[in-house]
Amino acid sequence: AQTVTQSQPEMSVQEAETVTLSCTYDTSESDYYLFWYKQPPSRQMILVIRQEAYKQQNATENRFSVNFQKAAKSFSLKISDSQLGDAAMYFCAYKRGAQKLVFGQGTRLTINP
Amino acid sequence: DVKVTQSSRYLVKRTGEKVFLECVQDMDHENMFWYRQDPGLGLRLIYFSYDVKMKEKGDIPEGYSVSREKKERFSLILESASTNQTSMYLCAWGTGTTLRTQYFGPGTRLLVL
Repeated sequence: AQTVTQSQPEMSVQEAETVTLSCTYDTSESDYYLFWYKQPPSRQMILVIRQEAYKQQNATENRFSVNFQKAAKSFSLKISDSQLGDAAMYFCAYKRGAQKLVFGQGTRLTINP
Repeated sequence: DVKVTQSSRYLVKRTGEKVFLECVQDMDHENMFWYRQDPGLGLRLIYFSYDVKMKEKGDIPEGYSVSREKKERFSLILESASTNQTSMYLCAWGTGTTLRTQYFGPGTRLLVL
């Protein structure tokens, strides 16, 4: 079965600095999708960024970018110029089959002012 | 933007009660999902539905059932609530396009006493 592992239960970063959240996954498929979701203390889960496995170029959304290493099955999230509003739980997710998501355990990110 | 609403943000029920959690989307999307979220476990899929009156079991369906009589409404039912069903429940909808992304509602925190 496919699994997603986030090895960092908690991370912290100083405001305005850069932080990288790690994610690895296990799959035998070649075509799939990867996602990072953010869940702020208000609890609404929102999409941060997504990556299609057939695309070699790393996805970027403003201050958020990914480092997608397909051979290594690694999908890390880099947040540049961290802001207080970035504090949240971050979940890495893999899409398997038809519309089924597999989530990692989450990383709690704290931003220090 | 598509809006997903869940019937309650917080719910307290007693062991053995029948519990209904409702999720309503305001667009004509086929795919809807129910997850539960527990600390350290990430999100786990309970049930999902690709269309009206269609349902499929996710990874942890035991103790739950679902109903989808109308496309916009997907209900999660706890036939006889137990304390181990105390959790955060998240409803999501998904597109059938190549984006393959799921979007989440605000969640219902259920406490079973």
